[in-house]
Amino acid sequence: DAKTTQPPSMDCAEGRAANLPCNHSTISGNEYVYWYRQIHSQGPQYIIHGLKNNETNEMASLIITEDRKSSTLILPHATLRDTAVYYCIVRVPGANSKLTFGKGITLSVRP
Amino acid sequence: AAGVIQSPRHLIKEKRETATLKCYPIPRHDTVYWYQQGPGQDPQFLISFYEKMQSDKGSIPDRFSAQQFSDYHSELNMSSLELGDSALYFCASSWRGGAGGAYNEQFFGPGTRLTVL
Repeated sequence: DAKTTQPPSMDCAEGRAANLPCNHSTISGNEYVYWYRQIHSQGPQYIIHGLKNNETNEMASLIITEDRKSSTLILPHATLRDTAVYYCIVRVPGANSKLTFGKGITLSVRP
Repeated sequence: AAGVIQSPRHLIKEKRETATLKCYPIPRHDTVYWYQQGPGQDPQFLISFYEKMQSDKGSIPDRFSAQQFSDYHSELNMSSLELGDSALYFCASSWRGGAGGAYNEQFFGPGTRLTVL
């Protein structure tokens, strides 16, 4: 799986959009970008994934650059409950495909 | 909606003892994964099973073994416990079958916190 690079931490104000960047310059053509998050000591939670088109669901939006070398996860209206470690993972999808967690980015949402 | 169930939630053992962690996947899910998360670390993949057969193996010590049963629940057996085995152990499940099944994501349980004294 391709390696990802994320800043170690960032913060944002409650109610504002949180934009979490991820670099994956060595991504290959069949690899997808996935985002998971882990709220303190809870099990990781799937957020969203995409291949090359922008994706949106009830939790977040995923913007992937045209060259697919980077992406941004957007939480449109961050709340205190969004404080967590967010992991950007690049992998070939498949039900047997394990998740390889990197360092992730710690998002702190302040009141 | 039903979630992944793990038991026990907390477990305290002495060095050199054995431990068994259990995982009950979401109904109809056929694949189970185990992850280990040490203090201050990121989750690390240990092993996975699909339809009761081992499908992938990560950095799982030889002292650990696991299996998936006919009802799809899984057990992680840990022997000769060491202090370094103290960690959160997460089980995740996913569903391989059906259209788009290859893209179905992993759903994680709440974890078992193992403390080795």
